[in-house]
Amino acid sequence: DGGITQSPKYLFRKEGQNVTLSCEQNLNHDAMYWYRQDPGQGLRLIYYSQIVNDFQKGDIAEGYSVSREKKESFPLTVTSAQKNPTAFYLCASMESSGNTIYFGEGSWLTVV
Amino acid sequence: GQQLNQSPQSMFIQEGEDVSMNCTSSSIFNTWLWYKQDPGEGPVLLIALYKAGELTSNGRLTAQFGTTRKDSFLNISASIPSDVGIYFCAGRARTDSWGKLQFGAGTQVVVTP
Repeated sequence: DGGITQSPKYLFRKEGQNVTLSCEQNLNHDAMYWYRQDPGQGLRLIYYSQIVNDFQKGDIAEGYSVSREKKESFPLTVTSAQKNPTAFYLCASMESSGNTIYFGEGSWLTVV
Repeated sequence: GQQLNQSPQSMFIQEGEDVSMNCTSSSIFNTWLWYKQDPGEGPVLLIALYKAGELTSNGRLTAQFGTTRKDSFLNISASIPSDVGIYFCAGRARTDSWGKLQFGAGTQVVVTP
C-alpha cells in the first residue's frame, strides 16, 4: 500500500527534551517536507528536502532539525530550543512534476 | 512565507445545500490544489488544477482555475454529513522555486441534517 507513514501519532515531550518524529514514504518521491499546523492557521513550512543528503530551511526552522540519509525517510527532531512546540506536524512528499504534494496522517506533539 | 486568502472562514449549511469557497493570491499561479482535512488527520488531495480556466470535477466536487490565474474556486453540490471538515487550498506561484507551495488557512464546513 503506497503512502506516507508518520509515527508516532501522539507524542508528549517534557520541558528540555528533544523528540524525533518519523516520516517514511514508499512513493519514490524525491522531495519531502515538514509542516506545522496550528488552529486557524495555514500550514507553515519547517524544512524541506529535494534530494538525499540535502535539505533547506523553511519559514519556521528555528528549534527544529532534520536529516535525509535515505530517499524514503525524512525524520524531524524538535529540540528544546523550540519554545512553543505543541502543534500538529505534517510530513509530505511531492511528485517529480513539482506541482502536487501528498500528506501523511500527521503527528500530535504536546509539551507536558 | 506568503499565505493565500481563503474565504469564507467557516460555513454552516443544511444537508442537501451547495457549498462554495474560494482562494485568491496576489501573484500569478501555475498550480491550484484543493484538500480536505478531517479532525486529527492529514489532508487528502481532492482536485489538482494546472491550467487557467480549467474546470475539474471529482464526484460532487468541482474546482476551477481562475482565468486571471490569481484565484480558484471549489464547489460542493448536494452536501451530505460526511462533507464535514476543513477544506483548504494550496498553490504554486509562477515566481516560486520548484516545490514551494502557499496555503490558505482553510474553510471549516459544518453540515446539519
